[in-house]
Amino acid sequence: QKEVEQDPGPLSVPEGAIVSLNCTYSNSAFQYFMWYRQYSRKGPELLMYTYSSGNKEDGRFTAQVDKSSKYISLFIRDSQPSDSATYLCAMIVNQGGKLIFGQGTELSVKP
Amino acid sequence: GAVVSQHPSRVICKSGTSVKIECRSLDFQATTMFWYRQFPKQSLMLMATSNEGSKATYEQGVEKDKFLINHASLTLSTLTVTSAHPEDSSFYICSARVGGGTEAFFGQGTRLTVV
Repeated sequence: QKEVEQDPGPLSVPEGAIVSLNCTYSNSAFQYFMWYRQYSRKGPELLMYTYSSGNKEDGRFTAQVDKSSKYISLFIRDSQPSDSATYLCAMIVNQGGKLIFGQGTELSVKP
Repeated sequence: GAVVSQHPSRVICKSGTSVKIECRSLDFQATTMFWYRQFPKQSLMLMATSNEGSKATYEQGVEKDKFLINHASLTLSTLTVTSAHPEDSSFYICSARVGGGTEAFFGQGTRLTVV
């Protein structure tokens, strides 16, 4: 079993839809949770960063962490074609630790 | 966010030659840098972790004599693929982190093609 599981998709939605991306994990020691966006043939770009459980909002993006269920989510409101990319969740146990990535979910937002 | 510059973005080399990829943190000092390899439609595979002034720590299964990593300063790390073969063709990405921090910032990636 992988430490971090993420449905690779692809996920296709119409423009304006609310997108829900999710990851589950097995290591209860993870404390820091991140979402990265990666456009084709580019390096990942940090979108959201959350410590422990709770919600964090930044514009159209909301990150949720539920440590009791070992489940994290990224919501994208009013999705745009420019949001089409691969979204990777990542997490670490403690500061300075190794980032453990999910497989990434490929998202396509159709005009 | 912090900026990490990776160069070159794309390189084609002949089998048997060596290729060097540079990773620079432009606006912060990166105590730790990471090198990843990514195959199409797959996640990032950590190859090695390097701390400034120390030898790199390689992940299991990664040949340290083939993938030479140097982290000589707080703003520069290099990955040299020695005696490259077609199976080394891949997308290589570096990331950098401030010491003891949690957020990692990534370079643009290097597409290596060995012919």
